[in-house]
Amino acid sequence: DTAVSQTPKYLVTQMGNDKSIKCEQNLGHDTMYWYKQDSKKFLKIMFSYNNKELIINETVPNRFSPKSPDKAHLNLHINSLELGDSAVYFCASSQDLGQGAQETQYFGPGTRLLVL
Amino acid sequence: AQSVSQHNHHVILSEAASLELGCNYSYGGTVNLFWYVQYPGQHLQLLLKYFSGDPLVKGIKGFEAEFIKSKFSFNLRKPSVQWSDTAEYFCAVSPNTGFQKLVFGTGTRLLVSP
Repeated sequence: DTAVSQTPKYLVTQMGNDKSIKCEQNLGHDTMYWYKQDSKKFLKIMFSYNNKELIINETVPNRFSPKSPDKAHLNLHINSLELGDSAVYFCASSQDLGQGAQETQYFGPGTRLLVL
Repeated sequence: AQSVSQHNHHVILSEAASLELGCNYSYGGTVNLFWYVQYPGQHLQLLLKYFSGDPLVKGIKGFEAEFIKSKFSFNLRKPSVQWSDTAEYFCAVSPNTGFQKLVFGTGTRLLVSP
């Protein structure tokens, strides 16, 4: 009955590799997000999708490419991994209520990525 | 663009002590305000949120926060902390219009000693 799930939980890989992180939510939400938490615990939004459409794209290298096959899934593909990509990546979801009304974001357990 | 400041980076308290964590934000418009908690090794969980109405908001586990619009602040309080409150606490703000885009503060690490 997990609300927001991510796979894998841990990911250790070499520089230059390409990897993907998957996120799924069973809350029926229409908006999903990716956040990056660095080694100092600072959380920053990367992307947001609403109904499979990209709505927020912060200044993120184009090596990062999100893909939303449907409203319940938002995957993150990272090409040519670099040491600085090491972080915890959190997926989140919420329901857009329209006309400025916002619903709470629910977070997944995080994916700990270590690039060697 | 909005920003969030959490002035206390590390706080150490004894059990039963009172807690107040500061949060100030910078944004020209109406905002929604949140406090999230991250227990060691776990994901973020919502403690409480303010969207509108009564500026004193009560959340889970005995936490509350007060929105003071004139001070752009949303401080988190708990009258008596427990060892299990040891965690990282994040204040976040989102504009009240458009799609929700949470901007987080840098977090406050709370250590409660038994």
